[in-house]
Amino acid sequence: GENVEQHPSTLSVQEGDSAVIKCTYSDSASNYFPWYKQELGKGPQLIIDIRSNVGEKKDQRIAVTLNKTAKHFSLHITETQPEDSAVYFCAASKEEYGNKLVFGAGTILRVKS
Amino acid sequence: GAGVSQSPSNKVTEKGKDVELRCDPISGHTALYWYRQSLGQGLEFLIYFQGNSAPDKSGLPSDRFSAERTGGSVSTLTIQRTQQEDSAVYLCASSSTGTGHSPLHFGNGTRLTVT
Repeated sequence: GENVEQHPSTLSVQEGDSAVIKCTYSDSASNYFPWYKQELGKGPQLIIDIRSNVGEKKDQRIAVTLNKTAKHFSLHITETQPEDSAVYFCAASKEEYGNKLVFGAGTILRVKS
Repeated sequence: GAGVSQSPSNKVTEKGKDVELRCDPISGHTALYWYRQSLGQGLEFLIYFQGNSAPDKSGLPSDRFSAERTGGSVSTLTIQRTQQEDSAVYLCASSSTGTGHSPLHFGNGTRLTVT
């Protein structure tokens, strides 16, 4: 089955700097790659997603890139702010499994002010 | 509008007891998922309901785990004869369809502690 690896496990950046989190997946049939942000005591919230027919997607300070050949995708956060501090999860799924997502292990992002 | 609601938010139980965890999905969402999140770990898929189809139970870790979804809405996850390794946060999510990759909306989870 699908396996998703996520790096780094923790990331500390200075406020205003950029943060990059990378994930690799094993199943070339996967075609949907969402990113979730989880704050303490809350459930994960979708922040951005990308489908396999797109190489890059942006939403304000957040962008996701996908390299299907290499089977990896990345989350980019620019101009980080203290409120970006949270745990970020990448995930992958394929159409035939509906929305059953396989998650990475998560990245703890700390933005220092 | 109201999001996914889970109850209880916290549950402490003794080893060997049965527990029931409840999930109220977003109204009108046809797909419902249960995930488990162990301390410092990612989310582990447990079970998935889509409309009237047979549930996908492929992620349930043992036959002590079961889930129901009544009337296409509320779902209950039951763990029988709980073990210490069952301690985790159990997250429920719903989506408007089970296909086409409509986003999952998660509840805040039930933190289960087995003593």
